Amino acid sequence: EPEVTQTPSHQVTQMGQEVILRCVPISNHLYFYWYRQILGQKVEFLVSFYNNEISEKSEIFDDQFSVERPDGSNFTLKIRSTKLEDSAMYFCASSEFPGVGEQYFGPGTRLTVT
Amino acid sequence: SQQGEEDPQALSIQEGENATMNCSYKTSINNLQWYRQNSGRGLVHLILIRSNEREKHSGRLRVTLDTSKKSSSLLITASRAADTASYFCATDAFPGAAGNKLTFGGGTRVLVKP
Repeated sequence: EPEVTQTPSHQVTQMGQEVILRCVPISNHLYFYWYRQILGQKVEFLVSFYNNEISEKSEIFDDQFSVERPDGSNFTLKIRSTKLEDSAMYFCASSEFPGVGEQYFGPGTRLTVT
Repeated sequence: SQQGEEDPQALSIQEGENATMNCSYKTSINNLQWYRQNSGRGLVHLILIRSNEREKHSGRLRVTLDTSKKSSSLLITASRAADTASYFCATDAFPGAAGNKLTFGGGTRVLVKP
C-alpha cells in the first residue's frame, strides 16, 4: 500500500541553524501539507501546497519557513533559523483530491532544537 | 473555544469491551476524519465521513456524524490491546479550496488493558 515517507525520523539542531525536512508524498497525489505537533499539544496546520505554489498557510508559517517541491517526488519544509519553540514533531501529508478525500500522513520527523 | 474537541480526554477499558469517544466542532464542515496515533508515532488514517453522511463502518470501527449537533462519535468494538493509542478527529471546512487544511482536536487517549 502506498505511503507517505519522511526523512530524517529525528533531527537535532542548534538554535539558529537551518534545517530541511524531507517528505515523499504518495505518487499520484497532487496536494501536499505540513503539520506540526508540539509535545502534548494538538496537531496544527502549517501550510498546504498545490501546483507548485502555497495554497494556504497558517500564522505559524512565517518568513522563517518555506516549502519546495524540488523534483517530481520530494516535498520539503525548510526552517531558516531554528528557535527553541520550533521543537516539535513535523508531519507531511498528501491527498489525491482536496476537500473530498483523505489526507494521508507520514510517520513524522521529530525536530529537537537545543 | 476550538474546532474539534474530543471527549473524554482519556479512556481505560478492558480488552473485549467497546470504546466510544466523541468529537464536537464549532463551524460547518465538509468532511470529518478520524486518526489514530500510537505514542510518539505518525497519524494513521482510520475513516472519513462526509457532511451528508450519518454513519459509516470500517471493520470494528463505527463512526456517526450529527451535523445538527456538530458532533461525531467513534466506536471501536471488541477492543484489543493493540487499539491502545490516541484518537483524533479532524475537520475540513467549506469551500473545497485547493488543499483543505485539517483542524485537529486534542485527542482521546485510549488504554486497553489485557
